Amino acid sequence: QKEVEQNSGPLSVPEGAIASLNCTYSDRGSQSFFWYRQYSGKSPELIMFIYSNGDKEDGRFTAQLNKASQYVSLLIRDSQPSDSATYLCAVRSSYRAGSYQLTFGKGTKLSVIP
Amino acid sequence: GAGVSQSPRYKVAKRGQDVALRCDPISGHVSLFWYQQALGQGPEFLTYFQNEAQLDKSGLPSDRFFAERPEGSVSTLKIQRTQQEDSAVYLCASSSRAPTTQYFGPGTRLTVL
Repeated sequence: QKEVEQNSGPLSVPEGAIASLNCTYSDRGSQSFFWYRQYSGKSPELIMFIYSNGDKEDGRFTAQLNKASQYVSLLIRDSQPSDSATYLCAVRSSYRAGSYQLTFGKGTKLSVIP
Repeated sequence: GAGVSQSPRYKVAKRGQDVALRCDPISGHVSLFWYQQALGQGPEFLTYFQNEAQLDKSGLPSDRFFAERPEGSVSTLKIQRTQQEDSAVYLCASSSRAPTTQYFGPGTRLTVL
């Protein structure tokens, strides 16, 4: 059973601080990792994806991947109240050829306090 | 261009009724996915199409769930004899080809009374 685990939160950070969101996954064959943001009542919106070990930066967002530890994280610098949302970690595994489904965690609810 | 669209946005059904949910993917996207998202949970995979071929239906929870994409564009998810546990948001996502980024539609919120 493939699993993706996230702390459900809520995670509260003050405006301007760094928010750190973490995710672990069980399938060592996982190849691709995605962070989606979901506002209440809305659909998931892609923020970043990462395939290789290390860091990937895009504006205020940095994704970090450590395949040996089966760990992926998302850092949000200079957090804004508009960043308040649920952040979903999603993993694409390769355990079955031709299967491109994403396995999602339950999401971490982030609240940025003005 | 336009994103993924879904209709209806909200659907209320009495237990035992059949429902049909529609997804219009981004134009030109060959891959289409259906997910089910229960309240407070992440989306869970239901089924995947590449063009008109349904290549993976391992996530469909029962034989009451059926999906089709006859012309390789619009897809319909049909749920027969709805049950209360079917209440959820049904999300459709498309990608230009299977391994690339999936873009989600707004979802259909199904409530079964």
